[in-house]
Amino acid sequence: DVKVTQSSRYLVKRTGEKVFLECVQDMDHENMFWYRQDPGLGLRLIYFSYDVKMKEKGDIPEGYSVSREKKERFSLILESASTNQTSMYLCASTPGFNDGYTFGSGTRLTVV
Amino acid sequence: EDKVVQSPLSLVVHEGDTVTLNCSYEVTNFRSLLWYKQEKKAPTFLFMLTSSGIEKKSGRLSSILDKKELFSILNITATQTGDSAVYLCALRQGAQKLVFGQGTRLTINP
Repeated sequence: DVKVTQSSRYLVKRTGEKVFLECVQDMDHENMFWYRQDPGLGLRLIYFSYDVKMKEKGDIPEGYSVSREKKERFSLILESASTNQTSMYLCASTPGFNDGYTFGSGTRLTVV
Repeated sequence: EDKVVQSPLSLVVHEGDTVTLNCSYEVTNFRSLLWYKQEKKAPTFLFMLTSSGIEKKSGRLSSILDKKELFSILNITATQTGDSAVYLCALRQGAQKLVFGQGTRLTINP
């Protein structure tokens, strides 16, 4: 069964800390995505990557950066965590245009 | 701004009822419309719709897309408590990007 694995289910970090959220997929997918999910706002795209070392900004990239050094791993970085980044973060991957996304289980991040 | 709007935002029904969830959009150009079910964890894929008027069906769930009127519906018949979840609608635009609606929280009471 195909898998997208997010390294942490729950995280609590302090304001100003640098935070790394890791996502690994075992399906050899080209495309990977980071979304955040907030009540009443749905899922909003932060960044995506369609190839190793390639990245594109999504709708809400401010305060975030990403890294894709290997095809299977896509990392989301909060350079200096703030309380408004408290959210559920979902990673997803897809092989191509005509396929559904496979999502990870999510990381619930709380910034205090 | 392209938008995807789901309605209702929340719905509570009794087991055995039939429900219809709506997804309307203002996206000007898209490849497909997708429906997902999200329980406590990762959204799981339900349907992908690309053509108008062709119903997709899986057990008690079905979905259809109307490109003329710019909406899609997800029907669930003979609902069960296990259908309780957030249902997400999303449009796939170019470069793989998905634009999501806010989701509909469905609660099925026994």
